[in-house]
Formats: sequence, C-alpha cells, structure tokens
Amino acid sequence: ETGVTQSPTHLIKTRGQQVTLRCSSQSGHNTVSWYQQALGQGPQFIFQYYREEENGRGNFPPRFSGLQFPNYSSELNVNALELDDSALYLCASSLRLAGGQETQYFGPGTRLLVL
Amino acid sequence: AQSVAQPEDQVNVAEGNPLTVKCTYSVSGNPYLFWYVQYPNRGLQFLLKYITGDNLVKGSYGFEAEFNKSQTSFHLKKPSALVSDSALYFCAVRTYYNQGGKLIFGQGTELSVKP
Repeated sequence: ETGVTQSPTHLIKTRGQQVTLRCSSQSGHNTVSWYQQALGQGPQFIFQYYREEENGRGNFPPRFSGLQFPNYSSELNVNALELDDSALYLCASSLRLAGGQETQYFGPGTRLLVL
Repeated sequence: AQSVAQPEDQVNVAEGNPLTVKCTYSVSGNPYLFWYVQYPNRGLQFLLKYITGDNLVKGSYGFEAEFNKSQTSFHLKKPSALVSDSALYFCAVRTYYNQGGKLIFGQGTELSVKP
C-alpha cells in the first residue's frame, strides 16, 4: 500500500451537479497531483499542488479546481458536471526533491459516474 | 512536446516465459521514465524508474527495465512471468518542474500470462 487514500471510492452524480473528491497524501509528502483516467485510457494530468499552490495544470477547463491544505491533504472540485467527466480520478502524492528524482505514489482512485 | 508510446495494446505470455512490454518516448533533454502497474479497479502501483546512471533498472516483483537512449526506449522486462503479473502496465515520462512536474502516460499495455 502507498499510504495515499481517496474518498469516496465510488460516486454517482447527474449532469450539471458539482462534486468534491478528497485525497490524503502519504505522510511527509508536500506535493499532490490529480489525474483523470477515462475507460481504456492512460491517466491524464489535471493539476499539481506544491506547498498549497498550484504548480502546473493540464488541458482541463476552469470548472476543474483544487485545493491543498496545510496537512497536505487535497481536494478536487468539479463544477457543472458533464457526461464526459465520468472516469477514475487518481491522486498521487510525492516529496519534491532536488534534481527531480521524486516518485509519485497513487491512491486507489475515485470512480465517478455522471448520468 | 514530450510523449510516450506503448506500441502494443496487449501482450500474451505463457507462465515461466520471459516477458517484454515495450515503451518509446520523446522528450527534450534528459528523460525521467517510470513504469506503473494497474490491477482491475485499483490505482497505479509504482514498479521502477530511470533518472540517471545504469541503463538497467531493477524494480519491484522481479521486474526490470532497460533504458536505451539511442533508440529512445524504456522496455519493461521480467525473466519468468507469473499468472499474477497479468495486469495493465503504463509507461510514463515526467516533465521538469517548470512544466508542472506532471507524468505523461502511454495508453497502456494489457499483459496476459496464461498457465
């Protein structure tokens, strides 16, 4: 086990609703990244937070937003849900190291279904 | 732009035989390369990474990977496959921090090991 937890494990929402997904990082990690994995695809980067600030963002619209808290837990919020948002959402925590040698450790994911 | 390709959607191997899962990459500068494995309805598990140094990297569960700079490849290998190795395998390259430090994944290769 990676020590990264996510909640809830499954979620069903309807189009137009809003959803909040949660992630608890591995102890001591200061960076969290969120990915979306559609069925049959590789994970796609949504954004990354380092020390509570957004450090990078993938090709996702502004209705995808996030937070990282002082205890390095994190949230992913998605507003105005669309059918295509149905996917497995993965968070990954890491400890940023000089030289970029860090490894991202993934949680089990939250499976979101939008009807 | 950085990218990763996994040319095989599926690899079939008999138990006890060696296995290879192929990955090629395209990056500017030195690559940071990773392999992850995903079991059904689970998150991604880290197997191994190449940052620098020896071209043969050893990882978890008897897996290893060979970095080949001239062929821009990072193939995953195991000398003797087990039925329990059957899973979805992802190769990934990580961007530098000024590009978000994100992982860019291949589309995945389904490994099936038959008894």
